[in-house]
Amino acid sequence: NAGVMQNPRHLVRRRGQEARLRCSPMKGHSHVYWYRQLPEEGLKFMVYLQKENIIDESGMPKERFSAEFPKEGPSILRIQQVVRGDSAAYFCASSPRGAANTGELFFGEGSRLTVL
Amino acid sequence: QKEVEQNSGPLSVPEGAIASLNCTYSDRGSQSFFWYRQYSGKSPELIMFIYSNGDKEDGRFTAQLNKASQYVSLLIRDSQPSDSATYLCAVRDDGNAGKSTFGDGTTLTVKP
Repeated sequence: NAGVMQNPRHLVRRRGQEARLRCSPMKGHSHVYWYRQLPEEGLKFMVYLQKENIIDESGMPKERFSAEFPKEGPSILRIQQVVRGDSAAYFCASSPRGAANTGELFFGEGSRLTVL
Repeated sequence: QKEVEQNSGPLSVPEGAIASLNCTYSDRGSQSFFWYRQYSGKSPELIMFIYSNGDKEDGRFTAQLNKASQYVSLLIRDSQPSDSATYLCAVRDDGNAGKSTFGDGTTLTVKP
């Protein structure tokens, strides 16, 4: 019973390159959330998606960041033209739909992005 | 004003003592409240959730909620060195779905 799977676990990019982070939710989960965590800080909400729909992207920077959760395949968080300030741990979390949803978030191990 | 506020700590307690972690939130309409534990370099994991005013106990952990004061706390009894971690308070927007907003966390150290 696999948990939330994120890859890559570690990613190094140079300024100006693109970063793509992938997240496969737990089996049976249809809600995906992306959070960013800077060193010594809490989790900052970025985006909430369901299959083929962005439900809430109020935490996403207006430029360079995008997210999708296609009908088939993992959710992807894409950061274009990365800058040093994008260096952080990016956590994906999932939750089930309907009555099974207690509000608990099940987190992946995170993708740690380092921008040189 | 932050939506969810926690004392950043660090909080240090001796082994066997009670650790008390506090959290306040700004949205009076919030319905669901969560405590997550995060070890250094690891992902958060749920410790407790609470929906109703009062206390909820699970083993050595007790969550307390006071909606009138917009305050939620976590008590850890008989603290162990393995409890040393950052504790994140989270508040969810609505009852069935939606994002959770996290505080910045309180770092707890339990000294043997």
